[in-house]
Amino acid sequence: EAGVVQSPRYKIIEKKQPVAFWCNPISGHNTLYWYLQNLGQGPELLIRYENEEAVDDSQLPKDRFSAERLKGVDSTLKIQPAELGDSAVYLCASSHRGGKAEQFFGPGTRLTVL
Amino acid sequence: SQQGEEDPQALSIQEGENATMNCSYKTSINNLQWYRQNSGRGLVHLILIRSNEREKHSGRLRVTLDTSKKSSSLLITASRAADTASYFCATVAIKAAGNKLTFGGGTRVLVKP
Repeated sequence: EAGVVQSPRYKIIEKKQPVAFWCNPISGHNTLYWYLQNLGQGPELLIRYENEEAVDDSQLPKDRFSAERLKGVDSTLKIQPAELGDSAVYLCASSHRGGKAEQFFGPGTRLTVL
Repeated sequence: SQQGEEDPQALSIQEGENATMNCSYKTSINNLQWYRQNSGRGLVHLILIRSNEREKHSGRLRVTLDTSKKSSSLLITASRAADTASYFCATVAIKAAGNKLTFGGGTRVLVKP
């Protein structure tokens, strides 16, 4: 079974530039998550999708961050414009709908903003 | 914000020794999960323990949960160099919507050959 796929793995941009991250969850997983992980810390949830609906985006900085999950499968997370403090690893995860099941994580995208 | 505090922040042991790390959390939980993260990679689920369970085993892993103290421990027995990684506890609160995980800051484990 293929795992969660993310691209790109690494991205270096200058501040004020836009950037987008892509995630393909495990087939059949209805729930998709985007996390932010700063160096030396645990991941923090940005947004959770149930199918194509964003059901928890309370931690997403909406002034510059946006996300979409068209057709309830792949998802894209965008930052526009990027700031120096956005340098971090962006992780995507997926799980089966409901219950308290484990989440399966992708390898992440490491973003460096110069 | 991170709910959990993990102790120690870093741990260095020799191959074959046991490694123990602890996690404390703040709110009442439905379950607690442990994840491993190798350098530059995503997290891998290790084990889930429910709030009504006190101990759980999986291979060389042993997890305990004390809900009265809001704490959990992860024991890795007979460690191997491949166990070198960061280990995170994550909680699902009782009233959490969906499967929202709240992670601790992690314990970085180095197993020296």
